Amino acid sequence: GAVVSQHPSWVICKSGTSVKIECRSLDFQATTMFWYRQFPKQSLMLMATSNEGSKATYEQGVEKDKFLINHASLTLSTLTVTSAHPEDSSFYICSASPMDQSYEQYFGPGTRLTVT
Amino acid sequence: GQNIDQPTEMTATEGAIVQINCTYQTSGFNGLFWYQQHAGEAPTFLSYNVLDGLEEKGRFSSFLSRSKGYSYLLLKELQMKDSASYLCAVRAPDSNYQLIWGAGTKLIIKP
Repeated sequence: GAVVSQHPSWVICKSGTSVKIECRSLDFQATTMFWYRQFPKQSLMLMATSNEGSKATYEQGVEKDKFLINHASLTLSTLTVTSAHPEDSSFYICSASPMDQSYEQYFGPGTRLTVT
Repeated sequence: GQNIDQPTEMTATEGAIVQINCTYQTSGFNGLFWYQQHAGEAPTFLSYNVLDGLEEKGRFSSFLSRSKGYSYLLLKELQMKDSASYLCAVRAPDSNYQLIWGAGTKLIIKP
């Protein structure tokens, strides 16, 4: 149980285009979903916290107009990287907390984004 | 501010025991997590400590001392597949869900 999927697992896009990443909790409902970014050999950096039906809470330094988050249901959150640039190339990981087990986060497999 | 410290890298021998330490300074405490992350993959949950003491789960054990702001992850009977980064994370005091992450400890297992 407690499986989180992400799609796509990897994507290559041209500079200036937008990319949408989906995060789904497959066998549980998630009160909260989190979006992280991880650069090579560095730890996870929380980008934003997403609650179903409300606006995401972004961490300091993360541009909310560039990283659009939509949490339309208790099983789906999306992250759209708008007008991507090469410096946005990174490993993006989502995690979800089950409604009845809010202390634990289950991670998706991650999406590797390369912007050329 | 919030701060979590872990060693950057450790090396151990297959079959041996290794202890990875984590110290934290946070304004409040709601629990400490250990995650394992293999290169290029997402983290996987290992343990959760909210009370002082040792939690054992197979070859892995995790210890917490809240008064010292200290935790360790103990790995026994090391296997080559245990080569990974081990991330310590503390649950933020102002939210039940947000985690403050350490930089991770890269563990290298040698034959």
